[in-house]
Amino acid sequence: RKEVEQDPGPFNVPEGATVAFNCTYSNSASQSFFWYRQDCRKEPKLLMSVYSSGNEDGRFTAQLNRASQYISLLIRDSKLSDSATYLCVVTTSGGYQKVTFGTGTKLQVIP
Amino acid sequence: NAGVTQTPKFQVLKTGQSMTLQCAQDMNHEYMSWYRQDPGMGLRLIHYSVGAGITDQGEVPNGYNVSRSTTEDFPLRLLSAAPSQTSVYFCASSYMAGGFRSPLHFGNGTRLTVT
Repeated sequence: RKEVEQDPGPFNVPEGATVAFNCTYSNSASQSFFWYRQDCRKEPKLLMSVYSSGNEDGRFTAQLNRASQYISLLIRDSKLSDSATYLCVVTTSGGYQKVTFGTGTKLQVIP
Repeated sequence: NAGVTQTPKFQVLKTGQSMTLQCAQDMNHEYMSWYRQDPGMGLRLIHYSVGAGITDQGEVPNGYNVSRSTTEDFPLRLLSAAPSQTSVYFCASSYMAGGFRSPLHFGNGTRLTVT
């Protein structure tokens, strides 16, 4: 089983739709969780950290479920500019920071 | 702010050639790392460093060397390039304080082709 798993998609959604991605992780000792966005042929960029109580940033909401070992990202009112690949990132402390990336979920927002 | 700077952006090598990918950051980050990204594989850690003089292997270290003589710089050396090393390489850095809650900052990437 992969340490961090994501549905690769693609998710094709119309503008204005709400879309949700899940990411599961296997290490129960994982400490920090992030969502990154990666545009085609560009570097990953931090979208948002994921906190235990859940957090929201504008149209984006992130949730963490430690019991079931998954995190989620909800995007409301999708824009064309949201089209990208969304990477789930999990950090575990094993002496030093171990950062594990999911393979990403591709989102295509359609006019 | 410059952030994380990687050079070159593109490189073509012949099998057996060596080269160094440069990475520099100006944020005084303790942690620096190199990743490669291949289609369907996601980002895989090659080597990382938690401070000057300290480096360690990641998931896919074979064929690569690193050094960390200063806080700012973390070059990646390909010793004898192979076609399997054709990939996109990213350098990333972060703070280590705060219980590993600091996100990674990435460079723009280097697209390497080995023929």
